[in-house]
Amino acid sequence: DTGVSQDPRHKITKRGQNVTFRCDPISEHNRLYWYRQTLGQGPEFLTYFQNEAQLEKSRLLSDRFSAERPKGSFSTLEIQRTEQGDSAMYLCASSPSSGSSYNSPLHFGNGTRLTVT
Amino acid sequence: AQKITQTQPGMFVQEKEAVTLDCTYDTSDPSYGLFWYKQPSSGEMIFLIYQGSYDQQNATEGRYSLNFQKARKSANLVISASQLGDSAMYFCAMRDGLTGTASKLTFGTGTRLQVTL
Repeated sequence: DTGVSQDPRHKITKRGQNVTFRCDPISEHNRLYWYRQTLGQGPEFLTYFQNEAQLEKSRLLSDRFSAERPKGSFSTLEIQRTEQGDSAMYLCASSPSSGSSYNSPLHFGNGTRLTVT
Repeated sequence: AQKITQTQPGMFVQEKEAVTLDCTYDTSDPSYGLFWYKQPSSGEMIFLIYQGSYDQQNATEGRYSLNFQKARKSANLVISASQLGDSAMYFCAMRDGLTGTASKLTFGTGTRLQVTL
């Protein structure tokens, strides 16, 4: 049973560059989430997909951020014109669709740590 | 408004002792779920335990139990017989139907637990 996989684990980039992260969810999970976590804080929700449809985006997700999940499997998160404030851990999570049930935990990947210099 | 509050930035506990990590939450939705996650220094988020708002009994999973006091809106995590490997950040999280889709989790700021010899 493979878990959620994220690539790369670490990314160092210069301010102004574009970066793209990839997330491969657990194969039978049709819900996929992106979170951002800064030092000393809890994860903050960025966006959520059910299959290929992006159903919710946080106000934290500025127009420099875009996420896709084109075939309802893996997802990419792109940050354009990176800023130093974008430095954080970017976490991807997945869960099965379970109707109105509230009890499905999110299964997280190991994250991509972004450092913008 | 803060939906999840963890007031203990850091806690110490001796090995083999029990420890309680506090979590209070705020929602007007009668249907919600509460989760606890562990985040070791390696960064992955590990799901520990779940409590549903309609569950009559406190959740337990091995050495983890949840002290759920609905009227007080608290969901404290109790770790019994602490082990050195329990040293980590612990996050409380909630899912309800009031903040966008009834899917994402909202996290607290976490409590860093240090288990000592």
